Amino acid sequence: KAGVTQTPRYLIKTRGQQVTLSCSPISGHRSVSWYQQTPGQGLQFLFEYFSETQRNKGNFPGRFSGRQFSNSRSEMNVSTLELGDSALYLCASSPRLAGVYNEQFFGPGTRLTVL
Amino acid sequence: GQSLEQPSEVTAVEGAIVQINCTYQTSGFYGLSWYQQHDGGAPTFLSYNALDGLEETGRFSSFLSRSDSYGYLLLQELQMKDSASYFCAVRSPGSARQLTFGSGTQLTVLP
Repeated sequence: KAGVTQTPRYLIKTRGQQVTLSCSPISGHRSVSWYQQTPGQGLQFLFEYFSETQRNKGNFPGRFSGRQFSNSRSEMNVSTLELGDSALYLCASSPRLAGVYNEQFFGPGTRLTVL
Repeated sequence: GQSLEQPSEVTAVEGAIVQINCTYQTSGFYGLSWYQQHDGGAPTFLSYNALDGLEETGRFSSFLSRSDSYGYLLLQELQMKDSASYFCAVRSPGSARQLTFGSGTQLTVLP
């Protein structure tokens, strides 16, 4: 079974631009969660989607948004990029809602650099 | 809210045993998980403890004491490939039970 894939792997943007990241979960997995990883803040939860609905959201500004499609693929969007948005963005999938399933399967991440 | 504390760095030699501790403060507890992440790689699930005691998976074991709000990951027969960051994580209360991660422990295994 193929793992979680994320595209693109690397991205360079400038302040004020917007960016869209994509995540394809493991086949059959219906939950997709997004995390931001930075050296200073560690791994922080952004949001979780299940059956095309946002089920939970972390403590991030409204510039961060996402969606999930009927095939469970998910995208996250960051508008009006700031320097502090430079991070590794990880998505993770699980067969059911992340809260009722012990293990999450992470993708390799998208490294976003904001100049 | 939730907070977790773990050491930032641990160093050990090949073949040794190392313990990575994690203490947590949560308003509700739904289990302690451990993840491994190599430099540039994706976090991978190692273990999950919902009840007190030791869970063993090959060279890795994880322990939980709910009364002490404490857990640890034990790595035996260390190998060079075990050099990585290790994160403990707890689930928040509520229906969503999102994962909150500790800041991670960088394990360096020396030859």
